[in-house]
Amino acid sequence: NAGVTQTPKFQVLKTGQSMTLQCAQDMNHNSMYWYRQDPGMGLRLIYYSASEGTTDKGEVPNGYNVSRLNKREFSLRLESAAPSQTSVYFCASSGIGTVNAYEQYFGPGTRLTVT
Amino acid sequence: QKEVEQNSGPLSVPEGAIASLNCTYSDRGSQSFFWYRQYSGKSPELIMFIYSNGDKEDGRFTAQLNKASQYVSLLIRDSQPSDSATYLCAADSGGYQKVTFGIGTKLQVIP
Repeated sequence: NAGVTQTPKFQVLKTGQSMTLQCAQDMNHNSMYWYRQDPGMGLRLIYYSASEGTTDKGEVPNGYNVSRLNKREFSLRLESAAPSQTSVYFCASSGIGTVNAYEQYFGPGTRLTVT
Repeated sequence: QKEVEQNSGPLSVPEGAIASLNCTYSDRGSQSFFWYRQYSGKSPELIMFIYSNGDKEDGRFTAQLNKASQYVSLLIRDSQPSDSATYLCAADSGGYQKVTFGIGTKLQVIP
């Protein structure tokens, strides 16, 4: 049982390049989330998916797109990376099987630098 | 905008002392509250959740909730250097199992 996995762990992009961050969970959770974490800003929600086939914007969605490919996988795409998107990105999941449905399990994070 | 506020710290306590971490929240509709611990360079992990007024104890950790004052706290008894981490407070924020996180308080336990 791997929990929540994310790839890649580290990435350096040049301004304007695109990339997709991958996330998968094996806990049969309905809900999945993408956060970014910046110093002094805490965890900010980019997008979330309450169930397979649905996605919604969070607090900071500009410059990002997401795909809930199936119940297990939730990807985050940067179409044209900007230096302001330099951050640590965390994927999380919650739902069935947790003690509290709001309890979130986090992946190990992706450290992205945009130059 | 629903907010969860924490002092970023650092909060320094000597080994063996009680560490007291505090958080306030703005949404009176929030029902569930969480404390996550995050070691440097790692992902957050849940250590406590509470949804009823009063105290909830788990080992050296006690979470306290006062809904009238919109205040949540975490007490860590007999603090150890291994407790040195950033502690994130979170509150549920309006359906679809969303939560709002505070910026986290950095705790340093001095040997």
